[in-house]
Amino acid sequence: QPQLQESGPGLVKPSETLSLTCTVSGDSISNTINYWGWIRQPPGKGLEWIANINYSGNAYYSPSLKSRVTISVDTPKNQFSLKLSSVTAADTAVYYCARYNWNQGNSDYWGQGTLVTVSS
Amino acid sequence: DIVMTQSPLSLPVTPGEPASISCRSSQSLLHSNGFNYLVWYLQKPGQSPHLLIYLGSDRASGVPDRFSGSGSGTDFTLSISRVEAEDVGVYYCMQALQAPHTFGQGTKLEIK
Repeated sequence: QPQLQESGPGLVKPSETLSLTCTVSGDSISNTINYWGWIRQPPGKGLEWIANINYSGNAYYSPSLKSRVTISVDTPKNQFSLKLSSVTAADTAVYYCARYNWNQGNSDYWGQGTLVTVSS
Repeated sequence: DIVMTQSPLSLPVTPGEPASISCRSSQSLLHSNGFNYLVWYLQKPGQSPHLLIYLGSDRASGVPDRFSGSGSGTDFTLSISRVEAEDVGVYYCMQALQAPHTFGQGTKLEIK
């Protein structure tokens, strides 16, 4: 079954860009029925959807974050990535990558999550 | 954005007793294809969320049959027929009808 693993810096300075990568195993990013996405969870709070993307680069973004977010895919490496610019303390969260099953309308496989702290 | 509202936010339950969680959406989640794009997740302490129910009432693979989802349009319910100790955690509903996908606030189930 698919496995997803987030990687990237755990500490980012305010105003800088947060960059995370999700490596997928057990499935192909090029699978045409799936999208791949990011969800975050501030400490002690609920879940917030950020964006989804498919193998061809067709992407959907949260309007509240769209001006600062870039999501991309690297099909040869079977990875997808998130960049969030101009971060503040409010962007401190556990960031999860997940596979989105388009037909079933759900994120059926999730990574373990990675905590990113924004602090100087 | 579609607003998702869950109730209750806290749910103490005695093992073996039933439990239910309500989720309401600010817009209908019924797609023209006849499916409701409503998902239920459980986040156990210290873990990632995992999928319980999708399309309003379809159980995900490996999910015990004591979990069931019902509802249509704007009103949905997650039911647990007999709560077990391993069911503790925070339950979230999420709409996947349109971007941005939005989650309810979460319902924390605890054992009495």
